[in-house]
Order: sequence, then structure tokens, then C-alpha cells
Amino acid sequence: TQLLEQSPQFLSIQEGENLTVYCNSSSVFSSLQWYRQEPGEGPVLLVTVVTGGEVKKLKRLTFQFGDARKDSSLHITAAQTGDTGLYLCAGAYTGKLIFGQGTTLQVKP
Amino acid sequence: EAQVTQNPRYLITVTGKKLTVTCSQNMNHEYMSWYRQDPGLGLRQIYYSMNVEVTDKGDVPEGYKVSRKEKRNFPLILESPSPNQTSLYFCASSLYLGGTNTEAFFGQGTRLTVV
Repeated sequence: TQLLEQSPQFLSIQEGENLTVYCNSSSVFSSLQWYRQEPGEGPVLLVTVVTGGEVKKLKRLTFQFGDARKDSSLHITAAQTGDTGLYLCAGAYTGKLIFGQGTTLQVKP
Repeated sequence: EAQVTQNPRYLITVTGKKLTVTCSQNMNHEYMSWYRQDPGLGLRQIYYSMNVEVTDKGDVPEGYKVSRKEKRNFPLILESPSPNQTSLYFCASSLYLGGTNTEAFFGQGTRLTVV
């Protein structure tokens, strides 16, 4: 059982569409992070959310941390082909940095 | 340039032949860890280290060993590799764990095939 459950696992959309990726847990996290990974590379940090209810924006990407600090979401507005990649949420839990299964996003032109 | 360096990038080996994957970071980070990445399973933590001489098991430690004799290095050792250890491996480091300013920096990955 994954401590961090991401959904959906796969998403294929047309350029210009909006999408939301979810990261859920039954446990409380002091912070959650979102990473993006491209083929052949290691994950790269996009954002860290720390406060319950926090919203952070990174250009067309909006990240939200749930009020109870058990879940987070990533919303992309007007997706572009360059957004294609694997998106991972991660959180620190009992000394470990654990990751969700990831969401593979394909944006078609 | 701040980075995590893993070697080798690609490795094909035979069952039972001991191997070591090296990992080095130049950011004076306290926390280092090893992950394996398999399709549909995401990144699973193998071992982690909070500081020099302090290591602990992650979620999938069986068949692996690590050591942290110096702050910058965190090698992953497979004493007797088996085909089910064929995977993509990542080393990562961060200043601390949890909270702000705890970005994990990843190496480029090591694709290991055990035949």
C-alpha cells in the first residue's frame, strides 16, 4: 500500500487543455513536494508546500496543500507539449522521503 | 556547480557478481538516500542516511548494503545481485529532511541489468 496515492497514473490530453493531478494520504505530512522527471533524468523539484491550505503558483502550474495537510493537488492551465513528463509528489515520513507512484502526463500538439 | 554524481550510468552484470554504484554530492548535505524506480511502482527508497555513520533501511532494503564514511559519499553495494534487482537506481541528497529548504537533488540515475 502506497502511503502517498497519486491519481490519475496516466493522463493524455491535447495542448491547451487544463488538468489536475492529485496526491492523497491518510497520514499528516509536515510538508509535501512536487517533482517533475523527464526521461533519462532524475526528478527535479517544482515546489514545496508547508502550510495547510497553502496555494503556490509557478507560471501555469498551481499547487495546493490540503487544510489537514494530508493531500495536495497540482493544476496545470492551458497545458503545453513541454509539460509532458512524470510528475511525482513526495513527503517526509518517519525519517524517509517517500514518493507517490507518479502521474505520467502526455500533452499532444 | 551543485550536483549529485552517480557512476556508472549503465551497468550489465551477471547474477552473483558483487557490484558497487557510487554516489557523491558536493553540497555538504546531511541527508542522502538511494531509490529504485520500476514501472508502476514509482520511486521506492532502499536506504537512507541522516549523517556520517548513520544509515537506516528504507522500504525495500533486502539485497542491498550502504555505507556513509564521509559526508559526501554514499555508495550502494549489491553483494550478490539477482535479476529482480534489475532496475533504474537514483541517489539523492538534501540539506535536511522535511519542511522548507529541503529540496532533494538527484543524480542522473544508474540503469542496472542483472542477467
